[in-house]
Amino acid sequence: QKEVEQDPGPLSVPEGAIVSLNCTYSNSAFQYFMWYRQYSRKGPELLMYTYSSGNKEDGRFTAQVDKSSKYISLFIRDSQPSDSATYLCAIRGYSTLTFGKGTMLLVSP
Amino acid sequence: NAGVTQTPKFRVLKTGQSMTLLCAQDMNHEYMYWYRQDPGMGLRLIHYSVGEGTTAKGEVPDGYNVSRLKKQNFLLGLESAAPSQTSVYFCASRQGRTRTTNEKLFFGSGTQLSVL
Repeated sequence: QKEVEQDPGPLSVPEGAIVSLNCTYSNSAFQYFMWYRQYSRKGPELLMYTYSSGNKEDGRFTAQVDKSSKYISLFIRDSQPSDSATYLCAIRGYSTLTFGKGTMLLVSP
Repeated sequence: NAGVTQTPKFRVLKTGQSMTLLCAQDMNHEYMYWYRQDPGMGLRLIHYSVGEGTTAKGEVPDGYNVSRLKKQNFLLGLESAAPSQTSVYFCASRQGRTRTTNEKLFFGSGTQLSVL
């Protein structure tokens, strides 16, 4: 079993929809969880991070971690066409980050 | 402040040829990483370095070598390129050795490599 599992999509939604992106992980020792956004032909950029269980909100984005289920989520409210990108979850170990495969999101006007 | 710069941006090789990808960062970061990104496979770590003069293997190190002779540079070498190494390669860096939990990884813009 890969350390981080993520559905690759694509996920297509209309503008204004609420989007839910999810990952599961296998190593219960992980403490730091991140979401990166990658536009086409660009390098990934950090979108949000959370530490341990709980929620973190930043504008239209909410990151959620459930350590008991080893499940992390990213919610996007009022999605915009500019949110169309690939979203990668990442779990931080001691020195390295392990990424999920990424979910491609398409928001249509 | 350029951040993380990768050269070249594109390269086409024939099977068996060698090449070196250069990554340079101007943020005085300790940690540097090389990833490859393939369709359906996500980002996979090839090698990484936690400081000048150090290197370590990642998830998919076979067929690659790296060197970190200077803190700001991290080189990725392919000694004998194979078609399976056709991919987009990303370099990344982070500060490292701090107590902050929100250290973000800064990525370069990638190198598209095709091996024929």
